Amino acid sequence: SQQGEEDPQALSIQEGENATMNCSYKTSINNLQWYRQNSGRGLVHLILIRSNEREKHSGRLRVTLDTSKKSSSLLITASRAADTASYFCATDASNYQLIWGAGTKLIIKP
Amino acid sequence: DAGVIQSPRHEVTEMGQEVTLRCKPISGHNSLFWYRQTMMRGLELLIYFNNNVPIDDSGMPEDRFSAKMPNASFSTLKIQPSEPRDSAVYFCASSLGTMDTQYFGPGTRLTVL
Repeated sequence: SQQGEEDPQALSIQEGENATMNCSYKTSINNLQWYRQNSGRGLVHLILIRSNEREKHSGRLRVTLDTSKKSSSLLITASRAADTASYFCATDASNYQLIWGAGTKLIIKP
Repeated sequence: DAGVIQSPRHEVTEMGQEVTLRCKPISGHNSLFWYRQTMMRGLELLIYFNNNVPIDDSGMPEDRFSAKMPNASFSTLKIQPSEPRDSAVYFCASSLGTMDTQYFGPGTRLTVL
């Protein structure tokens, strides 16, 4: 089952703008991960944030986690055409497997 | 390391035929996952192994699907007989532990005519 719910389902912005995607989940977690999937490729891990962390950065990526609201956001700053992809969140809410969201499809217009 | 290796990358077959998908996980990873991805249903976990032992196969659609992991470096997903609704991209992923970062293979695009 898919616990994580990303929103929006799709996002189209101009190159250079910032893109923000959100992920909500239902039960307590130890950590939350974000992955990217380029068209026709496998998913690639971007960043992991632990439940005791509120914010994490990696290059142009900024992830926040609000455990009280059971939500996370992924911000991509100064977007580039190469950022066009689908973005998924995954939580470890289950005892033995990651629970995946349905993904946000991001399109960067040149 | 070469990453997770899957073969074939593309498979086109006719309904009723047997299909075997193959996966070589990253060396040293203890967990292996098989996923199916379609536009309609998104990413679905079919089955996963820990230390070569199947832990949860509740995602396997029906008895036509079976998966094996005879050793730490090889796994197969078999569909017999295949049906058009099995058309999808099948991903294999591996990780150190079941809750750790997963590394995905390039996927096998299966088309059943």
